[in-house]
Amino acid sequence: EPEVTQTPSHQVTQMGQEVILRCVPISNHLYFYWYRQILGQKVEFLVSFYNNEISEKSEIFDDQFSVERPDGSNFTLKIRSTKLEDSAMYFCASSRDALTKLNYGYTFGSGTRLTVV
Amino acid sequence: GEDVEQSLFLSVREGDSSVINCTYTDSSSTYLYWYKQEPGAGLQLLTYIFSNMDMKQDQRLTVLLNKKDKHLSLRIADTQTGDSAIYFCAEKKGGSQGNLIFGKGTKLSVKP
Repeated sequence: EPEVTQTPSHQVTQMGQEVILRCVPISNHLYFYWYRQILGQKVEFLVSFYNNEISEKSEIFDDQFSVERPDGSNFTLKIRSTKLEDSAMYFCASSRDALTKLNYGYTFGSGTRLTVV
Repeated sequence: GEDVEQSLFLSVREGDSSVINCTYTDSSSTYLYWYKQEPGAGLQLLTYIFSNMDMKQDQRLTVLLNKKDKHLSLRIADTQTGDSAIYFCAEKKGGSQGNLIFGKGTKLSVKP
């Protein structure tokens, strides 16, 4: 079964450093998403991406965050200057269609645990 | 505001039925979902229900939707130890293309 792959599985970084979280979505999917889950809290939507641009973003996704699809396979989330409160599990997801059209649901990756020290 | 609430823990014996409950607030939600997360794994879509349905059955899984009370439940028949996981309820935010609002998750423990 096709999978969404995320690397690394765990990343530790110092406060103020830039981090890039990487994701390889399923190859025929067109919509890409990032979510995060702070320990003990809810899974929260960050951003959705389609046709090489952001289609929707949440209040969490401020100027410190950016996303990119640098080539035909990778989808990255960059945090420019990490803060302690950015420590969380970050999930990438992809879907073939927007949920408004056909419901295929998302396929989620296993997540990257980011620890900011 | 938007919120999805679920109880945090449920413990059942193997072979019993499990019922995981969820309440949501966005009356314009069109789809509601149940995701399963096993340790160290991602979020796996288990099932979903469209808001004009009351019930959906898929093998051992039964989803009930009470739209008036904004209450969603997931029933797992003949629960097995392999069903032990965290189960997340989620609603698609009204008017959104892809923003899912998740609950905190219910940790299901199945005792042999």
